[in-house]
Amino acid sequence: GAGVSQSPSNKVTEKGKDVELRCDPISGHTALYWYRQSLGQGLEFLIYFQGNSAPDKSGLPSDRFSAERTGGSVSTLTIQRTQQEDSAVYLCASSLDGSSGVYEQYFGPGTRLTVT
Amino acid sequence: GESVGLHLPTLSVQEGDNSIINCAYSNSASDYFIWYKQESGKGPQFIIDIRSNMDKRQGQRVTVLLNKTVKHLSLQIAATQPGDSAVYFCAERIQAGTALIFGKGTTLSVSS
Repeated sequence: GAGVSQSPSNKVTEKGKDVELRCDPISGHTALYWYRQSLGQGLEFLIYFQGNSAPDKSGLPSDRFSAERTGGSVSTLTIQRTQQEDSAVYLCASSLDGSSGVYEQYFGPGTRLTVT
Repeated sequence: GESVGLHLPTLSVQEGDNSIINCAYSNSASDYFIWYKQESGKGPQFIIDIRSNMDKRQGQRVTVLLNKTVKHLSLQIAATQPGDSAVYFCAERIQAGTALIFGKGTTLSVSS
């Protein structure tokens, strides 16, 4: 079956521009996560959606970052007024249910963002 | 702050050897642990997980050991193959309904 997909795979943008990154989770997965991975580093949690509950935004590094999830499926991560330090790979993951059990998270291939 | 760390950033082994990748976690309340493998240019791929009420779990060629006394997690790979070369991350979950906390990763290099 189809896994988690993300688009675009690569994005180069100029400092100060806004960008939108898209994530299509696995069908039926109610939990969706966004992470950021800088070069040679581990994954940094950004935001977590679970069903219709209010998202956990505790990992967003600044108010330039926001995310939404429409219809409980597709999610968009928006970065406004991009800065060079925003350059990283942005990874999306989904799981069956993040509020109970220990369902593993399935990751997409990521979007590599480069801010020049 | 609380985070998951790894003992070694790199590990080099010969093909056919057994590999052991270690991870220390700091939050004694964590209830779930997971190992991921990440190949260059790809997203992390699930390897094996373990709940906090278990000490050991085995998969195909992989075993995860959990020592809650010293807050230590390890991944053992039997008969390591060149295709096992990747970055390995351990991650912990403090409680249900929260995101995973990842360590920085160990790069495993397997030579033929």
